[in-house]
Amino acid sequence: QVQLVQSGAEVKKPGASVKVSCKASGYTFIRPYIHWVRQAPGQGLEWMGRIHPRDNSSLYAPKFRGRVTMTWDTSTSTSTSTVRMELSSLTFEDTAVYYCASRAPLGEWFDTWGQGALVIV
Amino acid sequence: EVVMTQSPATLSVSPGSRATLSCRASESVRTKLAWYQHKPGQAPRLLIYDASTRVSGVPARFSGSGSGTEFSLTISSLQSEDFAIYFCQQYSPPWTFGQGTKVEIK
Repeated sequence: QVQLVQSGAEVKKPGASVKVSCKASGYTFIRPYIHWVRQAPGQGLEWMGRIHPRDNSSLYAPKFRGRVTMTWDTSTSTSTSTVRMELSSLTFEDTAVYYCASRAPLGEWFDTWGQGALVIV
Repeated sequence: EVVMTQSPATLSVSPGSRATLSCRASESVRTKLAWYQHKPGQAPRLLIYDASTRVSGVPARFSGSGSGTEFSLTISSLQSEDFAIYFCQQYSPPWTFGQGTKVEIK
C-alpha cells in the first residue's frame, strides 16, 4: 500500500513561487502516477495535473498550464520517491490546501492521498 | 470538462439512520466514478470506485450505484465515525470532483 507524506505549510507573497513535496513509499517495483489536487477555502476540489511514474512528463489542467511544474526528485531509492509541485506567480486565489494523490494500480481513481499542505498567499 | 454536481450540500442524519447522497455528471462518465470520505485535517479516503466497487476494508454499510450521469452513495446505518464530507469524482481526464456533501449529526 502506497503512503504519501507531504511537506509542511507555506506562507508566500503574491508573485512568488511555492514548492510542495510529496514523498511516496510502500510501492512495489514501479512508483505510481502522482496527481495534485487543491482545495481553496470554502471551495471544492480542483485537479491540477499529474506526473508520469517513469519520467517527468506531465499532464496539466489548462487552468494551471504555464504556471505549474511537477518533477520527480533525482535522489530516490528503490522504495521511496519524492515528487515536487511548483506553482509560480502566486495570487491570493492560490491560497488553498494542496494534496498529492496516487493513481490506483488498476484504474484512474486515486487510492491514496497525502495529508495536504496549506499554502497561504 | 465534465461538471459534477452533488446534492444535498448538507445532510442532517440521526445515528443509525440511512443516508443517500447524490452525484450527477454533466455528461455520461459510464461507471468511471469514485466516492471519497474526507474528515477535517485528514487525507481523503477512497470508499468506492467504478461506481459500485467497495474498497477492501470499507464497511459493507457503504454502497454505491448508478451509471452514465446519475450516481448515489448510500450509508445504510450511520455510525459516529461516518459523519464527514463525501465527494464524488469522475476519472476521465481532466479529472473533476463534486463540491461535496457534508453529513452531519441531526
